[in-house]
Amino acid sequence: GENVEQHPSTLSVQEGDSAVIKCTYSDSASNYFPWYKQELGKGPQLIIDIRSNVGEKKDQRIAVTLNKTAKHFSLHITETQPEDSAVYFCAASTPPNSGYALNFGKGTSLLVTP
Amino acid sequence: EAEVAQSPRYKITEKSQAVAFWCDPISGHATLYWYRQILGQGPELLVQFQDESVVDDSQLPKDRFSAERLKGVDSTLKIQPAELGDSAMYLCASRAGGPINEQFFGPGTRLTVL
Repeated sequence: GENVEQHPSTLSVQEGDSAVIKCTYSDSASNYFPWYKQELGKGPQLIIDIRSNVGEKKDQRIAVTLNKTAKHFSLHITETQPEDSAVYFCAASTPPNSGYALNFGKGTSLLVTP
Repeated sequence: EAEVAQSPRYKITEKSQAVAFWCDPISGHATLYWYRQILGQGPELLVQFQDESVVDDSQLPKDRFSAERLKGVDSTLKIQPAELGDSAMYLCASRAGGPINEQFFGPGTRLTVL
């Protein structure tokens, strides 16, 4: 099955700096790659996603890039703020015949210090 | 804004007892997922429904876990008997269906088995 690896497991940045989280996946049939933010005691919140026919997508301070050939995708957060502190998960979606279930990475704990 | 509802938010039980979790997906969402998230890891799929039918329950420990979505709307996940290793966050997610990929998660139920 699909295997998603995520790095780093922890990341500490100063407020205003950029943060980058990287993920790799194994199944070349995966075609949808969402990123979730999870705050303590809450469910994951979808923050941005990208489909396999797009190389890059941006939403204000958040951007995601996808390299299908290398099977890796990355989350970029610019001008980080303390409220960005949370655990971030990448995921890859199984093909339609597997019901679009998500395979998640192990998460990155991001700490933004003022 | 439509949200996935889950209850209870927290559940403490003793091993060998039965527990049940409830999920109400976003109105109109045909696909419903139950995931389990162990502390410090990403969510892992337990079972997936399309309307009232099970699409994938290959990762559901069927000797003790059961799930149903009788009318194709809300869903119940049951564990009987609970074991110490079942302590985790149980997350429900829903998706509109068809080629729409986005999955939206509920707040989860935190289960502690003593």
